[in-house]
Amino acid sequence: EVQLVESGGDLVQPGGSLRLSCAATGLTFSSYWMHWVRQAPGKGLVWVSRINSDGSTTSYADSVKGRFTITRDNAKNTLYLQMNSLRADDTAVYYCARALKFARWFDPWGQGTLVTVSS
Amino acid sequence: QSALTQPRSVSGSPGQSVTISCTGTSSDVGAYDSVSWYQQHPGKAPKVMIYDVNKRPSGVPDRFSGSKSGNTASLTISGLQAEDEADYHCCSYAGSYTPVFGGGTKLTVL
Repeated sequence: EVQLVESGGDLVQPGGSLRLSCAATGLTFSSYWMHWVRQAPGKGLVWVSRINSDGSTTSYADSVKGRFTITRDNAKNTLYLQMNSLRADDTAVYYCARALKFARWFDPWGQGTLVTVSS
Repeated sequence: QSALTQPRSVSGSPGQSVTISCTGTSSDVGAYDSVSWYQQHPGKAPKVMIYDVNKRPSGVPDRFSGSKSGNTASLTISGLQAEDEADYHCCSYAGSYTPVFGGGTKLTVL
């Protein structure tokens, strides 16, 4: 069974940093593009970032560009999201998801990790 | 990239059918046959129900179906059951290996 498990969410002050992790099991991790998607409380899903299978290319939503960095360690089957200069509007549950056909659809999703930015 | 437009809520009685719309533009929904739908129960992770407009992953009941016309995609759930009560999110490929999501629709089974 393919499983994704996120960790690293926490309460952080505005301007602070946090690194999220997403551990993958049950799949050949190095074969798949991976994405981060977030969901603010009571709101819809919003795409954040993606990385290709070998980590050589990345892309970001305008709202996080220059502040967030997506990376992966294929030897450890783990995806990361380094989040810097955090703002209140970054408060959300962050999900990692395996991409099928690069970005055409997503399955499975992790259970999510909550990031709260507040003083 | 602007979010796709979904109704905030829909409702139906057990056994009835409901349809949830998802409107985008000629740059996303209208440009690609790559619309997917996700079911999300409270506090849970999204689960794919439909991909590539009208394909169902293994294990998803055939009560769930998808379609697309122009810039609008639709998810239809027939024979509504209590367990179908959840939030439903549409998603479209938007080019450059990026997706765009809708705002989500809350389905209430009366």
